[in-house]
Amino acid sequence: KQEVTQIPAALSVPEGENLVLNCSFTDSAIYNLQWFRQDPGKGLTSLLLIQSSQREQTSGRLNASLDKSSGRSTLYIAASQPGDSATYLCAVSSGGATNKLIFGTGTLLAVQP
Amino acid sequence: DAGVIQSPRHEVTEMGQEVTLRCKPISGHNSLFWYRQTMMRGLELLIYFNNNVPIDDSGMPEDRFSAKMPNASFSTLKIQPSEPRDSAVYFCASSPLYTEAFFGQGTRLTVV
Repeated sequence: KQEVTQIPAALSVPEGENLVLNCSFTDSAIYNLQWFRQDPGKGLTSLLLIQSSQREQTSGRLNASLDKSSGRSTLYIAASQPGDSATYLCAVSSGGATNKLIFGTGTLLAVQP
Repeated sequence: DAGVIQSPRHEVTEMGQEVTLRCKPISGHNSLFWYRQTMMRGLELLIYFNNNVPIDDSGMPEDRFSAKMPNASFSTLKIQPSEPRDSAVYFCASSPLYTEAFFGQGTRLTVV
């Protein structure tokens, strides 16, 4: 059974810092990994999708990497801003014939002005 | 496209009543997912459909929960009878097969 873990559970940093969020998964047979952002009381917004054949994806100040063999992904946020404050969730699409997304428990990020 | 549309956004109901949540996926997406989010358990996958066919409903907690997808543009999640422990935010998501998933804004359900 696929299990997804995110560390740390919460993180507080001053504005301008670069930071890394971690995601690990137990079954390396995945189709892809997706990072989401969730603001309080809102839905999930897709940030980056990494296919299993890829090593990383970049969008603006965000860079996500994937090491499938070790079951790890990181989300790097450069030059953090108060507007980046949210919960960040990673999800893996399990392999085989299924397409279901299994989520981690998230990292609550607070960027202090 | 307006994205994944869920209704209602908020639902308050009394224990024992039937609750129906609705979802309109993004046009052209083959997969549809129903998730439940609580503080204690995070995001749990309840059921998902590929091409309108239920593929995996192992996350549906009890027989009180049922989901249908009569066509490519509409799905429902029904709880009958509802209980206070069903209170949660229910999300619907859709995606093309094996690629990026997009979520609706969710339905906040409160059962009193």
